[in-house]
Amino acid sequence: SQQGEEDPQALSIQEGENATMNCSYKTSINNLQWYRQNSGRGLVHLILIRSNEREKHSGRLRVTLDTSKKSSSLLITASRAADTASYFCATLVETSGSRLTFGEGTQLTVNP
Amino acid sequence: NAGVTQTPKFQVLKTGQSMTLQCAQDMNHNSMYWYRQDPGMGLRLIYYSASEGTTDKGEVPNGYNVSRLNKREFSLRLESAAPSQTSVYFCASSRPRGVTEAFFGQGTRLTVV
Repeated sequence: SQQGEEDPQALSIQEGENATMNCSYKTSINNLQWYRQNSGRGLVHLILIRSNEREKHSGRLRVTLDTSKKSSSLLITASRAADTASYFCATLVETSGSRLTFGEGTQLTVNP
Repeated sequence: NAGVTQTPKFQVLKTGQSMTLQCAQDMNHNSMYWYRQDPGMGLRLIYYSASEGTTDKGEVPNGYNVSRLNKREFSLRLESAAPSQTSVYFCASSRPRGVTEAFFGQGTRLTVV
């Protein structure tokens, strides 16, 4: 089964609004990563947060990590139509070697 | 700097045929991965290789074999293709133990009829 589960599965917002996506996982992790996938394309890395970090920022992205609740959130501020894509969280599990496991993703649609 | 290159980009196979998906990276990464992505779903790990000469099964290895030919190349082989293997296949690479981001190829869209 998938290590990470995103919530919601789909999100539709207006340009300029903020988008929040959540990810829950099951086992202890080394780090958690967020990726973006435009339709029909490969995944592109957005941001990585380590298990000893609680919050990280990169441009309009803000990621939080709560290891006690085994959950993370990705906030995209001031969204743009170009942010329309699928967003996936991925976890690196401590006991799995270099195995990177993905959730099922959130489909974000930003309407102009 | 090409990153991760997958070939072919598209392929149609008949049930029972075999084929090899090729992947090469030019970033001197130790770790390489093969994932499949089915419509509306996330990526499921088929096989991964933590370093040259080692391979390990992922979540859905049945029906597939892999070869880590050298540090640059990691191929995925379907010995006898089945319709259930219709999917988009992604190769990725990263530095050891996934401590930094993974870089993905553009994918191979495979249809088995």
